[in-house]
Amino acid sequence: QTVVTQEASFSVSPGGTVTLTCGLSSGSVSTTYYPSWYQQTPGQAPRTLIYNTNTRSSGVPDRFSGSILGNKAALTITGAQADDESHYYCALYMASGFWVFGGGTKLTVL
Amino acid sequence: EVQLVESGGGLVQPGGSLRLSCAASEFTFTTYEMNWVRQAPGKGLECLSYISSSGNTIYYADSVKGRFTISRDNAKNSLYLQMNSLRVEDTAVYYCARVAPTRRTATGTLRLRYFDLWGRGTLVTVSS
Repeated sequence: QTVVTQEASFSVSPGGTVTLTCGLSSGSVSTTYYPSWYQQTPGQAPRTLIYNTNTRSSGVPDRFSGSILGNKAALTITGAQADDESHYYCALYMASGFWVFGGGTKLTVL
Repeated sequence: EVQLVESGGGLVQPGGSLRLSCAASEFTFTTYEMNWVRQAPGKGLECLSYISSSGNTIYYADSVKGRFTISRDNAKNSLYLQMNSLRVEDTAVYYCARVAPTRRTATGTLRLRYFDLWGRGTLVTVSS
């Protein structure tokens, strides 16, 4: 069974830079998994941030960027703001034709 | 407004059934692949089921295989999830999510495998 791994939590100072990662329990993440990233605040539906590894969704500020770092997908927030405090989920598209989400990272800005 | 609106959630006893609906507005529903995604209280997102634009291809997560059935009515711009043999652990907010379509580019086509539109969700509570 494929498990997508994310850090459970992360902290960043306002104005700071943070990189969240998205890995696989077995193997490496590559662009062929079409990594995507979603932001979710409590009580709200997810908001799409990044797709196809590094493309920002419409309206997403350019302080959010996606990449492949080593064997993982990564979401970097440069110049973090208070309203970036959220849960962040990555999703990987599997060869089976189905998506698997990571467990999510709770980002605290303080 | 382009949107997805889920309905049909509620309180149901273990072993019971429920049918969720997702109404699509202001886009050509027939051309989009769709998914159901759920989120248990305090937990992460889980992709449950996928259906192709025509309805001919369907996938399920192991956690719901044999109990849940995804379907769509393109004439009614609607997506459905029939949930049977419900368990306490099925308690969650259920979202419908649209898959971004393949784009035509100057050099060919660009396949996009992500969710570009989400509904607000409907809460299903399984409890005695």
